[in-house]
Amino acid sequence: DVKVTQSSRYLVKRTGEKVFLECVQDMDHENMFWYRQDPGLGLRLIYFSYDVKMKEKGDIPEGYSVSREKKERFSLILESASTNQTSMYLCASNTGPDTQYFGPGTRLTVL
Amino acid sequence: RKEVEQDPGPFNVPEGATVAFNCTYSNSASQSFFWYRQDCRKEPKLLMSVYSSGNEDGRFTAQLNRASQYISLLIRDSKLSDSATYLCVVRGAAGNKLTFGGGTRVLVKP
Repeated sequence: DVKVTQSSRYLVKRTGEKVFLECVQDMDHENMFWYRQDPGLGLRLIYFSYDVKMKEKGDIPEGYSVSREKKERFSLILESASTNQTSMYLCASNTGPDTQYFGPGTRLTVL
Repeated sequence: RKEVEQDPGPFNVPEGATVAFNCTYSNSASQSFFWYRQDCRKEPKLLMSVYSSGNEDGRFTAQLNRASQYISLLIRDSKLSDSATYLCVVRGAAGNKLTFGGGTRVLVKP
């Protein structure tokens, strides 16, 4: 079974803090993705990566950066958290163009 | 206009009944289509891919209408466990990027 894990299920941070969200997959997938999910807006792609040290912007990259130093790990970084970044963050991975496997999500609250 | 649009619902369905709902997409060059299921406070999981000829998986039937640019999902003999949000997902003409609809919430009641 594919397993995608995320470092925290719930996280509370203060405005201006630097926030790291970690995602690890154990199936040697080349592709990894970060989404945020908000009521009424669905899942929106923040960044994705096709390979180690490679990254591409998704639909809403502003305010975020990513790091992929190892194939199995994809990190999302909020350089200076703001209240409008309060959301559910979902990591996903796959090896082909279709089915994506999601982690359990991190519910981030920025106060 | 959103790339992928869904009726948010909720669709309140008596147990044992049939429910169907659609999803429209704006990019006529879209290549692949899927339905994902998301339970409350859980991650999305693939329910089924949608093929041009239509396909069935047990009580679930998916259809694709390229001319009118929509896909549909029909659930027969609804179970309480079918209560979830169903996400319509579309892959564009190039690359690996998936676009998600906002989801249709289905509540099956006894």
